[in-house]
Amino acid sequence: DVKVTQSSRYLVKRTGEKVFLECVQDMDHENMFWYRQDPGLGLRLIYFSYDVKMKEKGDIPEGYSVSREKKERFSLILESASTNQTSMYLCASSLLTGPNTEAFFGQGTRLTVV
Amino acid sequence: DAKTTQPTSMDCAEGRAANLPCNHSTISGNEYVYWYRQIHSQGPQYIIHGLKNNETNEMASLIITEDRKSSTLILPHATLRDTAVYYCILNFHLLAGGTSYGKLTFGQGTILTVHP
Repeated sequence: DVKVTQSSRYLVKRTGEKVFLECVQDMDHENMFWYRQDPGLGLRLIYFSYDVKMKEKGDIPEGYSVSREKKERFSLILESASTNQTSMYLCASSLLTGPNTEAFFGQGTRLTVV
Repeated sequence: DAKTTQPTSMDCAEGRAANLPCNHSTISGNEYVYWYRQIHSQGPQYIIHGLKNNETNEMASLIITEDRKSSTLILPHATLRDTAVYYCILNFHLLAGGTSYGKLTFGQGTILTVHP
């Protein structure tokens, strides 16, 4: 089975801290995605990557950056965490086969910034 | 990107069919209709997808209208474990660096409650 693993299930950080959220997938998928999920707003795409060292902005990239040094790992970075970045963060991966493919999601990281 | 419209919530009796509608009137020719669901405290789970024809798998059936402006997800025999948020989304086929990939844009979804 495809497995997408996020490094932490729950995380509490202080305002201004640099935060790293890690995601690893074990099925050699080319595409990887980072979403955040907030009540009433659904899932919103932050960044995605279709290859090592390649990245594209999603709908809400402000305040975030990403890193993809290895195919299986996609990191989301909050350069200076703020309270409005308190959210559930979801990582996903999929094959690079165009629109006819499914994405697999991790369990999510619930980040609280205090 | 084309957007989808779903009812905010629906109820269904256990054992009955759950029919979840989705409108996507501005869908473009290269967009597939995908359905995912999210059970509380878990990541979204893929259910089914289609382009033009109706599709069926072990989880559900997907009915897409001929004009592709709407679709219906059918859970033939709903169980309590099917209580979840169901998302109808369009996989937008993008090109970058000479390759193609799919971008998933999630809306609000439908909260389906299956009751005994």
